[in-house]
Amino acid sequence: AQSVTQLGSHVSVSEGALVLLRCNYSSSVPPYLFWYVQYPNQGLQLLLKYTSAATLVKGINGFEAEFKKSETSFHLTKPSAHMSDAAEYFCAVSSEGTYKYIFGTGTRLKVLA
Amino acid sequence: SQTIHQWPATLVQPVGSPLSLECTVEGTSNPNLYWYRQAAGRGLQLLFYSVGIGQISSEVPQNLSASRPQDRQFILSSKKLLLSDSGFYLCAWSGGRVNTGELFFGEGSRLTVL
Repeated sequence: AQSVTQLGSHVSVSEGALVLLRCNYSSSVPPYLFWYVQYPNQGLQLLLKYTSAATLVKGINGFEAEFKKSETSFHLTKPSAHMSDAAEYFCAVSSEGTYKYIFGTGTRLKVLA
Repeated sequence: SQTIHQWPATLVQPVGSPLSLECTVEGTSNPNLYWYRQAAGRGLQLLFYSVGIGQISSEVPQNLSASRPQDRQFILSSKKLLLSDSGFYLCAWSGGRVNTGELFFGEGSRLTVL
């Protein structure tokens, strides 16, 4: 079975500071990994995905994530936070040959002026 | 381009009343379709998914049901709503003609059961 753990349900950073949102996964097969962002009362929007190509993945809005198999991690980073980054972020895992996408419980990012 | 629509966006229903949420996808064929529920602080819970017309897989036993009467239409229903059915319901699709691997989400339907 696959699972995702997001450490920290709430993260606060100052504007201009580094953003680091943590995601660890469990999968018995090579995983596909995703980060999504959700703004209030909206659906989820894909930030980036890893599907077994380059381990450092760049996404939209300046976000990137690195797949580390040895640590079973897929942490999301952004060098400099912007007020517009305040939202909820979800990590998800899937794999080739499965139709299921398993999501973490989400991390709410707050950006302080 | 592909789009996904779900409606209604907001719904307030009394306990014991029926429910119907509808979702349609445009611009692709034979998508995999999903219903998720999002409760505060609990992430996204997969309720149902469908890989084809009439094919429904249920992930969580509950008083909800799903149907897929057409290739790009997915309906979430209940005969009698419970208070615990309140939440934000998200429809999503993946696959289709060009499978890029990720899920694409609709804008969500907020259900409040009173």
